[in-house]
Amino acid sequence: AQSVAQPEDQVNVAEGNPLTVKCTYSVSGNPYLFWYVQYPNRGLQFLLKYITGDNLVKGSYGFEAEFNKSQTSFHLKKPSALVSDSALYFCAVTVNRDDKIIFGKGTRLHILP
Amino acid sequence: EAGVAQSPRYKIIEKRQSVAFWCNPISGHATLYWYQQILGQGPKLLIQFQNNGVVDDSQLPKDRFSAERLKGVDSTLKIQPAKLEDSAVYLCASSSLTGALNTEAFFGQGTRLTVV
Repeated sequence: AQSVAQPEDQVNVAEGNPLTVKCTYSVSGNPYLFWYVQYPNRGLQFLLKYITGDNLVKGSYGFEAEFNKSQTSFHLKKPSALVSDSALYFCAVTVNRDDKIIFGKGTRLHILP
Repeated sequence: EAGVAQSPRYKIIEKRQSVAFWCNPISGHATLYWYQQILGQGPKLLIQFQNNGVVDDSQLPKDRFSAERLKGVDSTLKIQPAKLEDSAVYLCASSSLTGALNTEAFFGQGTRLTVV
């Protein structure tokens, strides 16, 4: 069964510093990976996805993520954090069209002004 | 493009009562999902439809939860009778099919259910 792990409940980063939110996955087959962000009282918003091709994918709001097959990771990154990036971030994985999208438990990102 | 619409936004009911949630996906999206998000946890898939057929309902508590997707468009999720532990946000999402893969899912704002 596929699963996704977000090892950090919370990440604190000073504004202007680079940020990383970690995600590892376990699937049988080729993974399709996603990052979503959830602001308070808002639905989940799609940030970026990895399907195939270049291991570095770029998404909304300046975020990017690197797919690392050998480490089964898909960490979310941003070169310079903004206070407005403070939110709850979810990593998700699926395997094929008929498979469910599994979400991690989420990581709360707190950007300190 | 209109997003995924859900109603109601909030619902408070007593335990053992019944409740229904409604979802209208993005037009043309073949796949519709219902997720349950308990406070402090990631969304958990309850049921996945492709058009009007069920793809996965393995985590749906079928003794009390039911869902249908009429004509492959709108969907309704029902809980009867509700328990205290059903208090959560119920998220509806939809995605389109591109070749052999579902695209990313687009989520509605959710329905926050409180069972007292």
